[in-house]
Amino acid sequence: SQQGEEDPQALSIQEGENATMNCSYKTSINNLQWYRQNSGRGLVHLILIRSNEREKHSGRLRVTLDTSKKSSSLLITASRAADTASYFCATDGGSGGSNYKLTFGKGTLLTVNP
Amino acid sequence: SAVISQKPSRDICQRGTSLTIQCQVDSQVTMMFWYRQQPGQSLTLIATANQGSEATYESGFVIDKFPISRPNLTFSTLTVSNMSPEDSSIYLCSVRTGGRGYTFGSGTRLTVV
Repeated sequence: SQQGEEDPQALSIQEGENATMNCSYKTSINNLQWYRQNSGRGLVHLILIRSNEREKHSGRLRVTLDTSKKSSSLLITASRAADTASYFCATDGGSGGSNYKLTFGKGTLLTVNP
Repeated sequence: SAVISQKPSRDICQRGTSLTIQCQVDSQVTMMFWYRQQPGQSLTLIATANQGSEATYESGFVIDKFPISRPNLTFSTLTVSNMSPEDSSIYLCSVRTGGRGYTFGSGTRLTVV
């Protein structure tokens, strides 16, 4: 079963604007990750935030994590048309051995209009 | 990080037949993961494949339908057996990349007619 929900399900913005996507999850986690998928192809890992971290930056990406609310947000600043893709959060409850596996949210389809 | 070569990239198959998907990793990895992504949906884990042991399947997935091989630490195959149109999906393999997340293959887009 899916770990959580992302909202919005779809987001359409103009180039240069910021895009914010949210993710909620249900169980305790080791870390939370965000992935991008272009046109139904393979997923690209964007950023990982550990359960003891609250905020992390990578280039134009900013991720926050609130474990008390079991939620995370992904902010993409100064968006570009090339950022058009589906974005998924995924939780890793791994505690070693066979417990390593990702559970994905439903995803947000981001469209950046030129 | 690891690089995964997945093939085929897409296929159109007749119902009742089987398709085997291959993933080759450029480094040795303990666990490989197989996911299914149904049209317009998110990814669902099918099974975890460890070298030298039987794969561990998630609820709703069975070995007879999705047999997996893991002959060595760099290679795995997933077979979709006795296919029906409901099996039309994207299938992806993945490996864990240390503390930096997971790397995914480019996916196999399967259409069953």
